[in-house]
Amino acid sequence: DAMVIQNPRYQVTQFGKPVTLSCSQTLNHNVMYWYQQKSSQAPKLLFHYYDKDFNNEADTPDNFQSRRPNTSFCFLDIRSPGLGDAAMYLCATAGTDAGGYTFGSGTRLTVV
Amino acid sequence: AQSVTQPDIHITVSEGASLELRCNYSYGATPYLFWYVQSPGQGLQLLLKYFSGDTLVQGIKGFEAEFKRSQSSFNLRKPSVHWSDAAEYFCAVGYIGTASKLTFGTGTRLQVTL
Repeated sequence: DAMVIQNPRYQVTQFGKPVTLSCSQTLNHNVMYWYQQKSSQAPKLLFHYYDKDFNNEADTPDNFQSRRPNTSFCFLDIRSPGLGDAAMYLCATAGTDAGGYTFGSGTRLTVV
Repeated sequence: AQSVTQPDIHITVSEGASLELRCNYSYGATPYLFWYVQSPGQGLQLLLKYFSGDTLVQGIKGFEAEFKRSQSSFNLRKPSVHWSDAAEYFCAVGYIGTASKLTFGTGTRLQVTL
């Protein structure tokens, strides 16, 4: 089945140690998104790629970066994780409009 | 800018009772509207979505939602709740167009009593 896969499901990292979260898709969607969801809050968009074009939300901290080497893969890099970055990170994809929005299962990040 | 309001932070219903979760949106044109469910520690699962056509939308797990343009609402309903429906429910709005972003409501936590 076509889907969005996030790895790993759970990630524990040390304070200040760079960490990378992975997202892959078999839907061949143009757009890939990264959302951050803190406990008991709504998902918040960090940034998205439309093909190779990167679009950062205005309030996304510089500590968060992303890479999209090809259509299928997108990575979220947190350069120096702080305790406040502990959250569920959700990857999503969409085609030419929002109707095809598909979320992955998420990666829960713990910072120790 | 688009926005979504879910006025009920927490709702408790008895198993077998009916359920209605409220969602109001603000957007200048016809949006895409979504309802997602999230169990603790899990990702988002799509229950249903609306773009156009019949304003009563059927989803998975016996859920339905009705789009009311005049009230800018997209309320989620289920005639008989099961204990396994206990979860967090998010309403979201997205616009028609390329690279649309979803804006989420703050969520409603559903508790089901036996």
